[in-house]
Formats: sequence, structure tokens, C-alpha cells
Amino acid sequence: NAGVMQNPRHLVRRRGQEARLRCSPMKGHSHVYWYRQLPEEGLKFMVYLQKENIIDESGMPKERFSAEFPKEGPSILRIQQVVRGDSAAYFCASSPPFRFQTINSGANVLTFGAGSRLTVL
Amino acid sequence: GQQLNQSPQSMFIQEGEDVSMNCTSSSIFNTWLWYKQDPGEGPVLLIALYKAGELTSNGRLTAQFGITRKDSFLNISASIPSDVGIYFCARRRGDDMRFGAGTRLTVKP
Repeated sequence: NAGVMQNPRHLVRRRGQEARLRCSPMKGHSHVYWYRQLPEEGLKFMVYLQKENIIDESGMPKERFSAEFPKEGPSILRIQQVVRGDSAAYFCASSPPFRFQTINSGANVLTFGAGSRLTVL
Repeated sequence: GQQLNQSPQSMFIQEGEDVSMNCTSSSIFNTWLWYKQDPGEGPVLLIALYKAGELTSNGRLTAQFGITRKDSFLNISASIPSDVGIYFCARRRGDDMRFGAGTRLTVKP
């Protein structure tokens, strides 16, 4: 069972271009989370999605950033008109749906991908 | 109210020393998790805690879920060079998962 797959691992873009980062969750996981990590900083929550639904995007910048998790295919984090400040590592994590009956269970944890490192020149 | 305060921010220790780090919040949570991030990689789960007062070990690592449900600590005994990395606490409330700012650990041989 493959883990969370992110691609590309490294992406270089010039200012003004678009960046698309993909995340395929673990098999059976219906929830996807995106986090951003700036150099020397922690993990900042961006957005949380279920299939075809955005549940919480409170951490997402209001402009230029969007995320989707279609019925078929990976979740996509899209950054339009990139700027130098967008340079960061973007991590995707997945989990099965939280269920109260399995509250004391390893099912209620996130599994992370290896990240996509975006460099904006 | 939902912010996690993780400390210390960084630690520089000698191989063989014990390490302790903690995480606090002003809110109560059902689940505390500790992750480790190796350089250039994604975070990997170390220990998950589900009950107030719970003490759980994983090899040289020990973590506790505070009795007030507002804090947790992680101890590493007899550190080795491969313990280097960033340690994150995380709390979960339902589907909402947030992380502390991390503790950067450097182990000198």
C-alpha cells in the first residue's frame, strides 16, 4: 500500500507563472490536508478537503491560491502568478474520516507525503 | 485559543544526553500527536496519545498527555545523532489538525 504521493518533489517557477502541486492520498483515505512550511519554520495549515468538497480553507491566502480534490484523481494545490514569497515546502497529508467510535485508534492520525519544494526565481 | 505553544524552539545537545520538549494550549483536546521531520522529508508520526494522563513509550521516546488535556511532553533518552530533526506536536479536534512551531534538535557527537 503506497503512502501519500506528492509530485513534483521539486518545482522551479519564475515570478508570474503558475505552480500546480499534486497529492495522491493513501488508499482508503478520503481526507486531504495541505500545509506550507517556510524555511526554518513550522507547518502552517492551509486547507482541508474531502472528495469534491473544501471543508476548511481558513489557512489559505485569499488570492492566487486554490485547492481541489476531485472525485477522480489527486488533490491539486494551485498557485497562480507566483511570487518569491511563495517559495516553500508544501506538504500534503491524508487520513480516513474521523470517527468517534475509533477515537482511541491509530486511524485518527495524518500520514504525510515527502513534500513538494517550490522555488520561485 | 487554538494556538499551540511548543518549547523550546531549538536545542543543541551532546550525544547521550536526555531531551525534553513540551507543548501547551489554552484549549482542551482529545488527541495529542508527536511527529518528527528529518531534513528534506515529510513529518512521520512518533507517538499518538488519546487519554488524559496517558504515558506512552516508543523505544527511547516517551510522551505524556497532560491530565488537564491542555499539554503534552516528549522525552528522548540517551540521544543519538540520528535524533536530529524537527519535532512537532499536533493536536486534533475532530477533523481539525494543527501543529506547533516545532523544536529543532541538534545532536553533537
